Amino acid sequence: NAGVTQTPKFQVLKTGQSMTLQCAQDMNHNSMYWYRQDPGMGLRLIYYSASEGTTDKGEVPNGYNVSRLNKREFSLRLESAAPSQTSVYFCASRMRVPGQGSSYNEQFFGPGTRLTVL
Amino acid sequence: GIQVEQSPPDLILQEGANSTLRCNFSDSVNNLQWFHQNPWGQLINLFYIPSGTKQNGRLSATTVATERYSLLYISSSQTTDSGVYFCAALYGNNRLAFGKGNQVVVIP
Repeated sequence: NAGVTQTPKFQVLKTGQSMTLQCAQDMNHNSMYWYRQDPGMGLRLIYYSASEGTTDKGEVPNGYNVSRLNKREFSLRLESAAPSQTSVYFCASRMRVPGQGSSYNEQFFGPGTRLTVL
Repeated sequence: GIQVEQSPPDLILQEGANSTLRCNFSDSVNNLQWFHQNPWGQLINLFYIPSGTKQNGRLSATTVATERYSLLYISSSQTTDSGVYFCAALYGNNRLAFGKGNQVVVIP
């Protein structure tokens, strides 16, 4: 199993350009997430998808859109990139088991995409 | 949302030393995870620990959910233990809140 994969690994954009970050998982997980990590900070949640067909905003959603394409894939789109979006982006997935109280399974992360916006 | 605080923010260890990292969270959580981010940026799962104690080699973790904290112990540290350690609390329906991390440097 490849686990969680992300493409591209690195990207440089100019202000105003658009791009889509791709994420896929092969663990049959139902929940998927996008985070950003800035220097000196922990990861902050941008958007998540609890299950196929649903998406919800996280802590820092402004300037981003997401698409849960199918159970395996969850993409993050920057429509008009800004320098403030320079960051490392991580995708993650988890098998969420509704109705089992605190028995939620652990979250696994992809290798990250390092994005620079000039 | 929930607040997660980690201490100490920075730690320098001599190889072979032991250390304890602490994670406090502001509200009840459904679960807690510890991660190690290595110098290449990869996030590696260490522990998934809602309560109690778990051990994995030289690492162990304890979560006391009623008192809202978790501890990560590193024994006989090695240079490969260097990196940033994050704790993350699962709360609400489906969200994981991260602390800012403990930067650990192990010197030979």
